[in-house]
Amino acid sequence: KAGVTQTPRYLIKTRGQQVTLSCSPISGHRSVSWYQQTPGQGLQFLFEYFSETQRNKGNFPGRFSGRQFSNSRSEMNVSTLELGDSALYLCASSSGLAGGPGNEQFFGPGTRLTVL
Amino acid sequence: SQQGEEDPQALSIQEGENATMNCSYKTSINNLQWYRQNSGRGLVHLILIRSNEREKHSGRLRVTLDTSKKSSSLLITASRAADTASYFCATDLPGSSNTGKLIFGQGTTLQVKP
Repeated sequence: KAGVTQTPRYLIKTRGQQVTLSCSPISGHRSVSWYQQTPGQGLQFLFEYFSETQRNKGNFPGRFSGRQFSNSRSEMNVSTLELGDSALYLCASSSGLAGGPGNEQFFGPGTRLTVL
Repeated sequence: SQQGEEDPQALSIQEGENATMNCSYKTSINNLQWYRQNSGRGLVHLILIRSNEREKHSGRLRVTLDTSKKSSSLLITASRAADTASYFCATDLPGSSNTGKLIFGQGTTLQVKP
């Protein structure tokens, strides 16, 4: 199976702009989660989508939003970018089935966002 | 706040030696996982241990879990230069078990010198 893919891999934006990141999960996976990784805060959970519905949400401002399409592909959007949004954004997919064997996450390579 | 705290933050060893990393967490969990990350890239799942398990092995990896102490350890035996990476523990929380919501520790950076 092909792994999780994320596009673009690198992105440079300026403050105030908005950005959309894309994630294609492993075929058959219905759960897509997004994480932000920074040197200061580490890996922080943004949100999770399962079957086109947001199932979990982290503690991020409303400028961070996401959606999931019927083919399980997901996008996240950050509006009104701030310098502190510079980070590696990681997407992960899993089967997402409650009561399943566990919630092992398969991560993509990430999108490195730099806000100037 | 971080659920998991890892110790040590950095570890440097010689090839062939064993590496032990520890993780402590704050709340009850359903399962605990360990991930590896090479130099700012995506994370790779290593092993998952459930709250009712005490020890699990996978190749050169051995994970223990002590729910009474809310702690876990990852042992890499006979380390190789290719094991150089950052290692993270991740836990789920009651109410979001078996979902994509994981709480990660700050990680241990392991350097294995050839």
